[in-house]
Amino acid sequence: DGGITQSPKYLFRKEGQNVTLSCEQNLNHDAMYWYRQDPGQGLRLIYYSQIVNDFQKGDIAEGYSVSREKKESFPLTVTSAQKNPTAFYLCASSKGQFSNSQPQHFGDGTRLSIL
Amino acid sequence: AQKITQTQPGMFVQEKEAVTLDCTYDTSDPSYGLFWYKQPSSGEMIFLIYQGSYDQQNATEGRYSLNFQKARKSANLVISASQLGDSAMYFCAMREVRNQFYFGTGTSLTVIP
Repeated sequence: DGGITQSPKYLFRKEGQNVTLSCEQNLNHDAMYWYRQDPGQGLRLIYYSQIVNDFQKGDIAEGYSVSREKKESFPLTVTSAQKNPTAFYLCASSKGQFSNSQPQHFGDGTRLSIL
Repeated sequence: AQKITQTQPGMFVQEKEAVTLDCTYDTSDPSYGLFWYKQPSSGEMIFLIYQGSYDQQNATEGRYSLNFQKARKSANLVISASQLGDSAMYFCAMREVRNQFYFGTGTSLTVIP
């Protein structure tokens, strides 16, 4: 079955530490996205990528970095510069860079907490 | 300006009744897509229904229908015959061509037995 796999499900970060959240998809989708969700809030876009080796900042990119070396993979690094990283992180993908009719498909999310 | 506005932070509905969740959007593009997602307490986002800006008919998927009023820039989700499992957060989203998705702040729906 095709889908999006996020790992780990839970992650703890120490002060001053960088951590990387994994996102892999086997849907052959061109576009991939990272969102942050705080308790009781909506989704805020961190980064998105429409094509391999290209990505754009979203609304809250500061303190985060990404790479898109392969179509299937879009890892997110939460750096020590992100002072309040505790949140639920969702990865998504969608088909069709030039289409507005394709929905996003989401992974099950990673819950990140500070130790 | 907000691209997607959901004005109902929380809604309650009696089991087996219908409920309407409101969504208004803002765009100047003639071509766009509108989506609704459900997020249960476990956190995953589940795609429910899609409406294209050029679609003449309102979209329907099982118990879900989308009341699309283009002139009012409104895309309300109607859930018929509510079930206890419908209790969740619901998000409205829009995608313009070549752009990222825009999400509303969500509506928390509670189905009362």
